[in-house]
Amino acid sequence: DAKTTQPPSMDCAEGRAANLPCNHSTISGNEYVYWYRQIHSQGPQYIIHGLKNNETNEMASLIITEDRKSSTLILPHATLRDTAVYYCIVRMPGEAGNMLTFGGGTRLMVKP
Amino acid sequence: DGGITQSPKYLFRKEGQNVTLSCEQNLNHDAMYWYRQDPGQGLRLIYYSQIVNDFQKGDIAEGYSVSREKKESFPLTVTSAQKNPTAFYLCAGSSSGANVLTFGAGSRLTVL
Repeated sequence: DAKTTQPPSMDCAEGRAANLPCNHSTISGNEYVYWYRQIHSQGPQYIIHGLKNNETNEMASLIITEDRKSSTLILPHATLRDTAVYYCIVRMPGEAGNMLTFGGGTRLMVKP
Repeated sequence: DGGITQSPKYLFRKEGQNVTLSCEQNLNHDAMYWYRQDPGQGLRLIYYSQIVNDFQKGDIAEGYSVSREKKESFPLTVTSAQKNPTAFYLCAGSSSGANVLTFGAGSRLTVL
């Protein structure tokens, strides 16, 4: 069963904010939301994670709705190098096994 | 530099041959994982190991084997029993109880 739903693709103009949505309506109370991205033919890279509060780091911001059923990853000023597939996954800390399967993600294309 | 090192980056194999992909880490990660990625698809978990001398099957373990004799090393063997082995293989690690996966650069296997 898919735990997250993401749009398959999105476009964004260079310099603009990229807002990537993720639906996780069946998330449980102790599951975190994690975001990774994968630039073509490379290994995925961790971006950010959160439980229920909004989070920000040097790469992005994560906005989680109050009911925790959805979240949005925000890249505030997208560059061409942000073109990648972005994966949203939910899991409990330290969880292993099949819960770590990544779905199809959102292919973000940043255009000049 | 600390990280996950995968080798070889590219590998060609004839049908019926076994091949072993190397994954080494110097991050002192307890847990290690192998994923398979097909073109345009997400990542699927093959095997994972949370401690030395122990490992568990993931979603798609058939036709693959692993070992975990040392904490630093988690090699994956793609056997002749794997019917469609051409894919991009990714190794990852995480610390015990931690949330974040660190990925290697991947190994691309092509069966001729």
